[in-house]
Amino acid sequence: DGGITQSPKYLFRKEGQNVTLSCEQNLNHDAMYWYRQDPGQGLRLIYYSQIVNDFQKGDIAEGYSVSREKKESFPLTVTSAQKNPTAFYLCASSSGEGYYNSPLHFGNGTRLTVT
Amino acid sequence: AQSVTQLGSHVSVSEGALVLLRCNYSSSVPPYLFWYVQYPNQGLQLLLKYTSAATLVKGINGFEAEFKKSETSFHLTKPSAHMSDAAEYFCAVSDPGAGSYQLTFGKGTKLSVIP
Repeated sequence: DGGITQSPKYLFRKEGQNVTLSCEQNLNHDAMYWYRQDPGQGLRLIYYSQIVNDFQKGDIAEGYSVSREKKESFPLTVTSAQKNPTAFYLCASSSGEGYYNSPLHFGNGTRLTVT
Repeated sequence: AQSVTQLGSHVSVSEGALVLLRCNYSSSVPPYLFWYVQYPNQGLQLLLKYTSAATLVKGINGFEAEFKKSETSFHLTKPSAHMSDAAEYFCAVSDPGAGSYQLTFGKGTKLSVIP
């Protein structure tokens, strides 16, 4: 079955360490996204990519970095510069056909805890 | 800039009662509107989307939403709540007039269903 795989489901890190969250999709979607979810805050866009080797900052990109070397993969690195990294991170993709009305397909998320 | 307001961060209904989750949006042009559902520790799933074809949109699991331009609303309803409907619901807007196709999400409404 096609879908989006995020790994790991839970991740624990010490403050000051960089950590990379994995996101892989086999839906053949062009566009991929990273969102951060905090209780009561909804979803906030970190980065998105419409095509391989290109990505754009979202609303809260500071302290994060991404790469898009393959269509299927869009890893997110949470750097030590991110002041409050503990959160639930969601990866999503869309077909890109008519970007405005293409629904997003989501992975099951990675819960990152930094102490 | 587009924005989404969901009235009520938490809604409780009895099993079998009407479910009404409110969503109001602001947009410079007729937008595309979406409702997503999130079960605990999972990603979001698309419930339904409005793309101007019809003002009343039917989705999965018996949910529907009506687009009312005069009220800038897109409220989600279900005639009879089931225990399995307990989840968090997010309204989202995509505004072609904003020059960016990224979705803006509301802060979410957590639905509890009382037996």
